[in-house]
Amino acid sequence: DQQVKQNSPSLSVQEGRISILNCDYTNSMFDYFLWYKKYPAEGPTFLISISSIKDKNEDGRFTVFLNKSAKHLSLHIVPSQPGDSAVYFCAASVLGAQGGSEKLVFGKGTKLTVNP
Amino acid sequence: ETGVTQTPRHLVMGMTNKKSLKCEQHLGHNAMYWYKQSAKKPLELMFVYNFKEQTENNSVPSRFSPECPNSSHLFLHLHTLQPEDSALYLCASSQDPGLASYEQYFGPGTRLTVT
Repeated sequence: DQQVKQNSPSLSVQEGRISILNCDYTNSMFDYFLWYKKYPAEGPTFLISISSIKDKNEDGRFTVFLNKSAKHLSLHIVPSQPGDSAVYFCAASVLGAQGGSEKLVFGKGTKLTVNP
Repeated sequence: ETGVTQTPRHLVMGMTNKKSLKCEQHLGHNAMYWYKQSAKKPLELMFVYNFKEQTENNSVPSRFSPECPNSSHLFLHLHTLQPEDSALYLCASSQDPGLASYEQYFGPGTRLTVT
């Protein structure tokens, strides 16, 4: 049973427009959420994160919104650029089984294509 | 360049072979992770090591055997694998789990094909 869901496998937007990537989770114990970006033939790279005590975090063109009551978060990219074309993974964090280690639970990813 | 390297980048092995994947991090981190990414599936955590000690084994079959000789190096020893084990294997590290450092830095991965 997937605890972190990215229901859109792909998204296509025009350069300069807003990209909105969505993520839903089921485990109310998650207390930290992250977005990773992955280019082909590379590992995921950290993009932006948000703690469960906040509802918004902004970093340049990237903003993450968290709605705890709906167990939903979204990543907004404004304005979108062709270089943003990549797979975006949503991840949620919970303490590991033996404590003291973060266990990241990932969604399947959304492939974003930004057209020039 | 994330400071986490993995070798080899590609590996093809038969079901009776024994091979090892290597991961090295140059970030001074204390936690290291192995993940598996199969086609059309989310990244799955396999193992976690904190300060060289294994703290998580996510019900991984024994044909996968991790080794962490020090905080900078992590190995995944493979033997008698099955074709369904073909996947991208990713290594990651993070600073210090005890300090709630959630950000993990990933290597480029090893693309494994089992024939």
